[in-house]
Amino acid sequence: AQSVTQPDIHITVSEGASLELRCNYSYGATPYLFWYVQSPGQGLQLLLKYFSGDTLVQGIKGFEAEFKRSQSSFNLRKPSVHWSDAAEYFCAVGAYPSGGSYIPTFGRGTSLIVHP
Amino acid sequence: EAGVAQSPRYKIIEKRQSVAFWCNPISGHATLYWYQQILGQGPKLLIQFQNNGVVDDSQLPKDRFSAERLKGVDSTLKIQPAKLEDSAVYLCASSQPWGRSYNEQFFGPGTRLTVL
Repeated sequence: AQSVTQPDIHITVSEGASLELRCNYSYGATPYLFWYVQSPGQGLQLLLKYFSGDTLVQGIKGFEAEFKRSQSSFNLRKPSVHWSDAAEYFCAVGAYPSGGSYIPTFGRGTSLIVHP
Repeated sequence: EAGVAQSPRYKIIEKRQSVAFWCNPISGHATLYWYQQILGQGPKLLIQFQNNGVVDDSQLPKDRFSAERLKGVDSTLKIQPAKLEDSAVYLCASSQPWGRSYNEQFFGPGTRLTVL
């Protein structure tokens, strides 16, 4: 079965600074990879996704992520953080374990705190 | 396009009581997911439907949780009887297993359950 690790529980950055949130996965092949954002009291919103092709993926709100097969990573980046980016960020993988049905798995999340 | 609808948004019950949550997915979405999100954790998949059939329910506590998706559209998730540890946000999501948004999950706002 696949698994997802988000090693940072909290990340604090200053407004205008760059951001990188880490995500590592475990799966025997290349899974489907996603980043979601969750604001307080809200559902999850998709930021970006990777299925195949170009390993640098552009998403909404100025976010991008890079798939690195050799490191089993899919880190999320943003060059300049805005105060409104403060939220919980979840990395997710989707795969077909044992050739069965598509199953998604989420990481535990990284809480982003933005200082003015 | 209407999003995923969930009701109620909030529910407070005493332990050992029963509770039910309702989800209406995006029109035409064949796959429906129920997640449990405990405070400070990532969403945990409870059950996944493809049309009205169960794809995966390996993490559903079947002694107290049940779910159904009659006619392959709306779904209900029930807890009977509730325990204190069931306090969480219950998220519903839907997706299409084909097309441009292949396996991309769209989430509802969630139902926050508090068990006293």
